Amino acid sequence: AQSVTQPDIHITVSEGASLELRCNYSYGATPYLFWYVQSPGQGLQLLLKYFSGDTLVQGIKGFEAEFKRSQSSFNLRKPSVHWSDAAEYFCAVGARPLNNNAGNMLTFGGGTRLMVKP
Amino acid sequence: NAGVTQTPKFRVLKTGQSMTLLCAQDMNHEYMYWYRQDPGMGLRLIHYSVGEGTTAKGEVPDGYNVSRLKKQNFLLGLESAAPSQTSVYFCATYPGTGRFFGYTFGSGTRLTVV
Repeated sequence: AQSVTQPDIHITVSEGASLELRCNYSYGATPYLFWYVQSPGQGLQLLLKYFSGDTLVQGIKGFEAEFKRSQSSFNLRKPSVHWSDAAEYFCAVGARPLNNNAGNMLTFGGGTRLMVKP
Repeated sequence: NAGVTQTPKFRVLKTGQSMTLLCAQDMNHEYMYWYRQDPGMGLRLIHYSVGEGTTAKGEVPDGYNVSRLKKQNFLLGLESAAPSQTSVYFCATYPGTGRFFGYTFGSGTRLTVV
């Protein structure tokens, strides 16, 4: 079974500073990988995803993530953080190949809450 | 196009009471999921459905029941609520065919059991 670890529960950065949120996964092969963002009181919005190919993927809102097979990691980055980026971020892994009978479940990490200082 | 709608948005229950959470989608998605979100634990899968009339257990199914009598609706029931079921509940959907682009989420139901 797959699992996801987000080592940092809380991170505080200054507005304009760079950001890296860590995500490590456990899975026997190359998984599908996702980053979601949740603003307070809201549902989850997909930031970006990795299926195959280029290991550096671009997402919405200026975010990117890099898949590193050797480190079983999929860290999320942003060069310059804006105050509106304050939210909770979730990394998720999906098994591959996706089998319709298996339900295509995603396993989520515990989340990282990002706070942005003015 | 409403997407995924969860009702109610908030609810306070007394221990032992029952209730049903409704997830309704208008995207004709086959797969539907119920997750619960607790601080530091991320989202954990309760039950899921791969089509009308089907349901299956997820990671934390105890104390919950589900039904998918109509394709567009996925109901989550608590027969006898316990304080440990205080959580935020999210419904998610996926088309079931084609490339997997991840889930579409509802906005959540915040449940407090006192």
